[in-house]
Amino acid sequence: SQQGEEDPQALSIQEGENATMNCSYKTSINNLQWYRQNSGRGLVHLILIRSNEREKHSGRLRVTLDTSKKSSSLLITASRAADTASYFCATDESGSARQLTFGSGTQLTVLP
Amino acid sequence: EAGVAQSPRYKIIEKRQSVAFWCNPISGHATLYWYQQILGQGPKLLIQFQNNGVVDDSQLPKDRFSAERLKGVDSTLKIQPAKLEDSAVYLCASSYRLPDTQYFGPGTRLTVL
Repeated sequence: SQQGEEDPQALSIQEGENATMNCSYKTSINNLQWYRQNSGRGLVHLILIRSNEREKHSGRLRVTLDTSKKSSSLLITASRAADTASYFCATDESGSARQLTFGSGTQLTVLP
Repeated sequence: EAGVAQSPRYKIIEKRQSVAFWCNPISGHATLYWYQQILGQGPKLLIQFQNNGVVDDSQLPKDRFSAERLKGVDSTLKIQPAKLEDSAVYLCASSYRLPDTQYFGPGTRLTVL
């Protein structure tokens, strides 16, 4: 079963704009991770945020986590055409066999 | 550092045939994962190994799917017999330990006709 649900399912923006994707989940987590997948390729890890963290930055990426609302957001600033990809959140659930459960993803298209 | 290797990249078979996928994880990574990704969906975990032992295979359809990881390094995933609904991308990933960042291979795209 899929724990995370990304919103929106698809997002189209112009180069230079910011892109925001949201992820909601259902159970308590140890951490939440965001991955990117370019068409026809494997997933690439972007950022991990632990359950006791509220915000994390990595380059043009900003991730927030609200455990009370069971939600996370990924912000990509100053987007580029190369950011066009699918973005997935993945949760490491508390008490699980320490595996990741992936959401259904947001397809981001950045237009030049 | 070499990434996760998978082969073949593409495979087309008829239903009821068998197929096998191979994965070589990043050197030193104890944990290996096989995922199934159906078009338009996120990856679904099929099986997770820690060294050569199975940690979780609760979502592996064991009547037709099998996987092994001999000597705690390479792994193979087999489907026998294949069904139409097995058409998907099969991704292998590895991590240094549970539940670290996972590193994914390029995947094998399986088409069952």
